[in-house]
Amino acid sequence: AQRVTQPEKLLSVFKGAPVELKCNYSYSGSPELFWYVQYSRQRLQLLLRHISRESIKGFTADLNKGETSFHLKKPFAQEEDSAMYYCAPPNAGNNRKLIWGLGTSLAVNP
Amino acid sequence: EAGVTQFPSHSVIEKGQTVTLRCDPISGHDNLYWYRRVMGKEIKFLLHFVKESKQDESGMPNNRFLAERTGGTYSTLKVQPAELEDSGVYFCASSQVSGRRLKDEQFFGPGTRLTVL
Repeated sequence: AQRVTQPEKLLSVFKGAPVELKCNYSYSGSPELFWYVQYSRQRLQLLLRHISRESIKGFTADLNKGETSFHLKKPFAQEEDSAMYYCAPPNAGNNRKLIWGLGTSLAVNP
Repeated sequence: EAGVTQFPSHSVIEKGQTVTLRCDPISGHDNLYWYRRVMGKEIKFLLHFVKESKQDESGMPNNRFLAERTGGTYSTLKVQPAELEDSGVYFCASSQVSGRRLKDEQFFGPGTRLTVL
């Protein structure tokens, strides 16, 4: 069964510091991986997906098949990055239901 | 475009009562998903509609939960009778196309917070 592990419930950094939110997965077949974010009082939204290979709001995530990881990184955290981050790959079937990690709450302090 | 809407935003009911949650997806989105987040646990998939058809209801906890999507537009999720463990935040999401990469982004509603006392 597909499984996602986000080992850190809470991550606290100072503004301008690098940040890495960890995600490890177990997946059969060729994995796809998404990061979703929920800012305070806002709804869940897609941040980025590995297949796009893009940087969104300064965040990047590289799929490492050897380590089965998809860590989310940003070199210089900003206060507005404070939010709940979820690693959530779609399942391997066609219905694309999302398999969620527990989430990591990122707090960027001034 | 209002995006995905959910009603109510909060519901507080007593054990044994019935509650109906509603989700209006983005117009034109055939796929509709329900998820639930129970405090301290992962967000869990409940079920998936394509238009009015249930494609996957493997995540529905038990037969106290009934979801419908009449006419392939809005969906309702009824809990009858509610139990304490049903408390949580219920999210609805919709997407235009499933099974096609880069065209299947799920857009989420704000969620309904259900508290069963």
